[in-house]
Amino acid sequence: GESVGLHLPTLSVQEGDNSIINCAYSNSASDYFIWYKQESGKGPQFIIDIRSNMDKRQGQRVTVLLNKTVKHLSLQIAATQPGDSAVYFCAENAGNMLTFGGGTRLMVKP
Amino acid sequence: EAEVAQSPRYKITEKSQAVAFWCDPISGHATLYWYRQILGQGPELLVQFQDESVVDDSQLPKDRFSAERLKGVDSTLKIQPAELGDSAMYLCASSLVTSGGPFFGPGTRLTVL
Repeated sequence: GESVGLHLPTLSVQEGDNSIINCAYSNSASDYFIWYKQESGKGPQFIIDIRSNMDKRQGQRVTVLLNKTVKHLSLQIAATQPGDSAVYFCAENAGNMLTFGGGTRLMVKP
Repeated sequence: EAEVAQSPRYKITEKSQAVAFWCDPISGHATLYWYRQILGQGPELLVQFQDESVVDDSQLPKDRFSAERLKGVDSTLKIQPAELGDSAMYLCASSLVTSGGPFFGPGTRLTVL
């Protein structure tokens, strides 16, 4: 993920629809990945993680998919709700060093 | 539910003054991180501790920033002197190898005037 400063990529979805947020990571040695949700003025909140020996992991209303071939990570949110509106960051861990992507803003329309 | 605690939540200071931030990680978490986040960007690591030892401070501006975790539990990050460009959110996080993460605290919003 590349930082885009103040102009975050934005995904706008209708309440009840599914959301897919994508992330390209850079280090082929990364073996652990995390998705965080960050609401305005708050710290990042851990949503779901996945290790490199898996390609899919599901949580409550969220699914993370990992494609190591193209170094791509995605977060799927089912039945998106207004409370899901936030900035979402992916993070990759290589050698016990965590690096964040630039974030995507999710806006949920009622 | 266990959480990372940080104080203060907000700090306004004038340039050239000294500021300090405190963090108490989740109980039992050996790894503690300090990150800096500029509005609209992802967090960037400043320093990482394993117990009381620094394992990575390559991105810490050591001429003005210092961090310590003397007893391997809570930690303090200090800036002296503060500069206008230091205005940002300072985030503390902690992790345990077997439990994933790191997990973040609420952050300290620093404004330097």
